Amino acid sequence: GIQVEQSPPDLILQEGANSTLRCNFSDSVNNLQWFHQNPWGQLINLFYIPSGTKQNGRLSATTVATERYSLLYISSSQTTDSGVYFCAVGQAGTALIFGKGTTLSVSS
Amino acid sequence: KAGVTQTPRYLIKTRGQQVTLSCSPISGHRSVSWYQQTPGQGLQFLFEYFSETQRNKGNFPGRFSGRQFSNSRSEMNVSTLELGDSALYLCASSLALNSGELFFGEGSRLTVL
Repeated sequence: GIQVEQSPPDLILQEGANSTLRCNFSDSVNNLQWFHQNPWGQLINLFYIPSGTKQNGRLSATTVATERYSLLYISSSQTTDSGVYFCAVGQAGTALIFGKGTTLSVSS
Repeated sequence: KAGVTQTPRYLIKTRGQQVTLSCSPISGHRSVSWYQQTPGQGLQFLFEYFSETQRNKGNFPGRFSGRQFSNSRSEMNVSTLELGDSALYLCASSLALNSGELFFGEGSRLTVL
């Protein structure tokens, strides 16, 4: 099955810093989503981005489907950005497969 | 519009018991998927239902089962609970089968003693 690798596994930042999270996948996909898991466990949708670039406030994402990777950019990080960020990918007829996540800690 | 609703949010069971978890999808969404999250294994796909039929199944033993009702609400059941079944169980809904964006509920946190 398709493999999903996220890097880095852990990231520690000071408030105000920028960061880039990466998601590599082993095969072509027609679905790619980025999620933020809040402290209570809920997965919050950040982006549905099987290809191209999207922006939402301080967050943006780019997926280069032909090269099988996606990047999540967080600018001017805030303490509320802390948590685990997951990339999940899917192919036609299959369920979403999740990476192991990047744990982000932002300190004030 | 209301999001995905999961009940109960927390529950404690003992080994050998069974448990039923419920998920109400976003209005108009017809596909419901279930995932198990544990510290060791991460997020793993359990099954997906669409139009009251199981369409995809992950690699879990037969003790894990589910169903979907005509109003798209779904339940999952775990029988003969084991300590390793302690996990966060997450439900997600989407408009159609295997397509588009998944939206997750807050999860049901199961502890097996």
